[in-house]
Order: sequence, then C-alpha cells, then structure tokens
Amino acid sequence: AQTVTQSQPEMSVQEAETVTLSCTYDTSESNYYLFWYKQPPSRQMILVIRQEAYKQQNATENRFSVNFQKAAKSFSLKISDSQLGDTAMYFCAFMKQSGNTPLVFGKGTRLSVIA
Amino acid sequence: DTGVSQDPRHKITKRGQNVTFRCDPISEHNRLYWYRQTLGQGPEFLTYFQNEAQLEKSRLLSDRFSAERPKGSFSTLEIQRTEQGDSAMYLCASSLGGAGSRSYEQYFGPGTRLTVT
Repeated sequence: AQTVTQSQPEMSVQEAETVTLSCTYDTSESNYYLFWYKQPPSRQMILVIRQEAYKQQNATENRFSVNFQKAAKSFSLKISDSQLGDTAMYFCAFMKQSGNTPLVFGKGTRLSVIA
Repeated sequence: DTGVSQDPRHKITKRGQNVTFRCDPISEHNRLYWYRQTLGQGPEFLTYFQNEAQLEKSRLLSDRFSAERPKGSFSTLEIQRTEQGDSAMYLCASSLGGAGSRSYEQYFGPGTRLTVT
C-alpha cells in the first residue's frame, strides 16, 4: 500500500516571499504520478501541479515548481512570489501509473500568506 | 465545460436517517471517484467507476454505503442509517480516462458537507 506523509501541518509566509512545502511517500511501484492540490477555504480542490515519476525534469507551472527526488521518495512544492490568494490547504497525492486509479492523499499543510 | 457539480452542498440529518448525494462529472469524463474528507485530514478514497461499472470499493465503504452510476453519467452515493461518524465532506472527482496525456488528472467538485446530529 502507498502512503503519503506531509510533516508540516501549518506554515506561513510573507507576501512576495518563497515557501517550500514538504512531502514524502512510500511505494513499491516504479512508475507513478505525483500531484499537489490546493484547497482554498470553503472552496473546491484545484490541481496545482503534476509530476510523472519517469521524468527526471522537475515540473513547473508559473510560480509553482516541484523538487522531485525519486530515490529519496520526496516531492516538495515551492511557491515563489507568494500571493494572498495562495492561502489554502495544500495536499500532496500519489497515483499508480496503471492509470486512472484513486489518489492517495497526505494530511495536508495549511499555508497562510501574510500581507 | 461546467466542471464537476455536487448536490446538495450541505446536508443536516438525524442519526438513523438515509441520505443520498449526487455528483455530475465533466461531460466527457468516463471515470468518477468518491472520496470522504474529515476535518483536518486529506481525502480518503471510497469508490470509483469507469462508465457504469464500479471498479473498486474501499474498506471504508461499509454495507450502509452504496454508490451507483446507472447510465455512466451522474453518480449517487447513498448512506443508510446514518451515524455521527459519517459526518464529513463527501467529494466527487472525475477524469477523462484512457491513455491520452493528462487523461488521469482528477477534477474535483465542491463537495457535500454532511452533518449527522
């Protein structure tokens, strides 16, 4: 069974600064997908960024980037130039590459961006 | 594309009553997933469908829970004889399915918040 661990329950960052959220996972699979989802207060879950395990290049989406370390089973999210709208719960999630299978989520990190 | 919708958004019920939730996925998506999220936790998988076929059920899905997707479009999740421990946010997600690029990405609805009193 796969497990996803987010060791930082809460974090805060000043507006315009950079913050990194940590995620580690455990799996015996060699191919899989990793995701970061954002859940703003009282709003629905939004996909932020995805990473295919077979790709060595770290994924980037605008201000969001990941540091994927396959050997260490680590998948951190870096948010650059933090904005007030980034305030949300952030969930790291794992999916087997057998495809279109259920996501396994971590417990989340609550990020507060402070003006 | 109107996204994934769920109805109702909030439901308050008394213990022992039955409740039913509805999920309408993105129209061309053939995979549909149900998750449950309790306070302070990440979503946990309940069950999922490919078209009308229910492919997998989690051990969390006790015999009081049943889900259907009769025509491969919308899905319903029913909880019979609700218990206080059923209080949670019930999330629905859908994905395109198939082997194409990004076909596995799941898009979530706003959820149904259930409170059992």
